[in-house]
Amino acid sequence: KQEVTQIPAALSVPEGENLVLNCSFTDSAIYNLQWFRQDPGKGLTSLLLIQSSQREQTSGRLNASLDKSSGRSTLYIAASQPGDSATYLCAVNRDDKIIFGKGTRLHILP
Amino acid sequence: GAGVSQSPRYKVAKRGQDVALRCDPISGHVSLFWYQQALGQGPEFLTYFQNEAQLDKSGLPSDRFFAERPEGSVSTLKIQRTQQEDSAVYLCASRLDRGIINEQFFGPGTRLTVL
Repeated sequence: KQEVTQIPAALSVPEGENLVLNCSFTDSAIYNLQWFRQDPGKGLTSLLLIQSSQREQTSGRLNASLDKSSGRSTLYIAASQPGDSATYLCAVNRDDKIIFGKGTRLHILP
Repeated sequence: GAGVSQSPRYKVAKRGQDVALRCDPISGHVSLFWYQQALGQGPEFLTYFQNEAQLDKSGLPSDRFFAERPEGSVSTLKIQRTQQEDSAVYLCASRLDRGIINEQFFGPGTRLTVL
């Protein structure tokens, strides 16, 4: 059974710092991996989607990597801003189901 | 263009009441998914439709949960005799099912509170 684990569960960093969020998954047979952002009381915003054949994706200050063989992904956020404060969810897609981690609650201190 | 929409956005029910949650997918999207997100947790898969066919309902937690998509577009998730443990955000997602990238697009969710 696929399990997705995110570390840390919560993180507070001063504005301007670069940071890394970690995700691991137990079954490497995935179609793709996706990082989402969720603001309190809101739905999911897709940030980056990495196909199983890809190693990384970049969008602005965000960079996500995928090492399928080791079951790991990282989300790198450069030059963090207070507006980046949210919960970040890692999710793997296989067999038409998305399996989510529990998320990392990120707080950027002004 | 319009994204996935869900209604109502908030629903408060007394324990034992039946509720119906609606999802309007992106026009033309073939597949539709329902997820349940409890407080402090990631979303968990409930069920999946391809057009009007319900292909997977393995995530439905009990027979009180029922989903339908009779015309292959709008979907309704019905919960009978609601219990407090049903309190959660219910997310709907749709997927085009054409092209290389099979991405699910999520709606804003319906927050259900059972008193």
